[in-house]
Amino acid sequence: GDSVTQTEGPVTVSESESLIINCTYSATSIAYPNLFWYVRYPGEGLQLLLKVITAGQKGSSRGFEATYNKETTSFHLQKASVQESDSAVYYCALGDNTNTGKLTFGDGTVLTVKP
Amino acid sequence: GGIITQTPKFLIGQEGQKLTLKCQQNFNHDTMYWYRQDSGKGLRLIYYSITENDLQKGDLSEGYDASREKKSSFSLTVTSAQKNEMAVFLCASSPGTKNTLYFGAGTRLSVL
Repeated sequence: GDSVTQTEGPVTVSESESLIINCTYSATSIAYPNLFWYVRYPGEGLQLLLKVITAGQKGSSRGFEATYNKETTSFHLQKASVQESDSAVYYCALGDNTNTGKLTFGDGTVLTVKP
Repeated sequence: GGIITQTPKFLIGQEGQKLTLKCQQNFNHDTMYWYRQDSGKGLRLIYYSITENDLQKGDLSEGYDASREKKSSFSLTVTSAQKNEMAVFLCASSPGTKNTLYFGAGTRLSVL
């Protein structure tokens, strides 16, 4: 079946440092998966951070970027300079390209940014 | 904007009990979902529904029933709660365009 593997947490970085959270996927049943990063901030519900539906393209939001790499089946999340407010749990997910919207999630990566 | 409301926020049940979780959305989205999240793990799809009265099984449907009698609501029933079962159940909806899901705050289940 389809699966997503991401950096095991917890990850702790200091404010203004760079960040990368790795995500690799296996899409055995989907020829052209859509890729997502969702985030859960403390005390809030899960929400979309960014998505990319075309291989080779980059998505960005709130200073985060991720590039859909079909050759390495990866979708790593990066930020050049993190802030304390980025502390959250980050989930990589893949979806099929139909309108059913079914998603397969990774286990999540807990990020703590120290001031 | 819209909102997804899940009730109750916390649910404590007894082993073998039938338990129902409810979800309402006012986005007017066609598709709704139920996911289960165990501690430290990712979300797993239990059921989804692409329109009123439609039900589709996810990877984790055994032990659950679902009902979509109205476009705005989607309920999930745990048919027989398992002792020591603890998980968060997340409801989501989607307009059906490229998989952007909007999530509720979750129902946290504990079974004694």
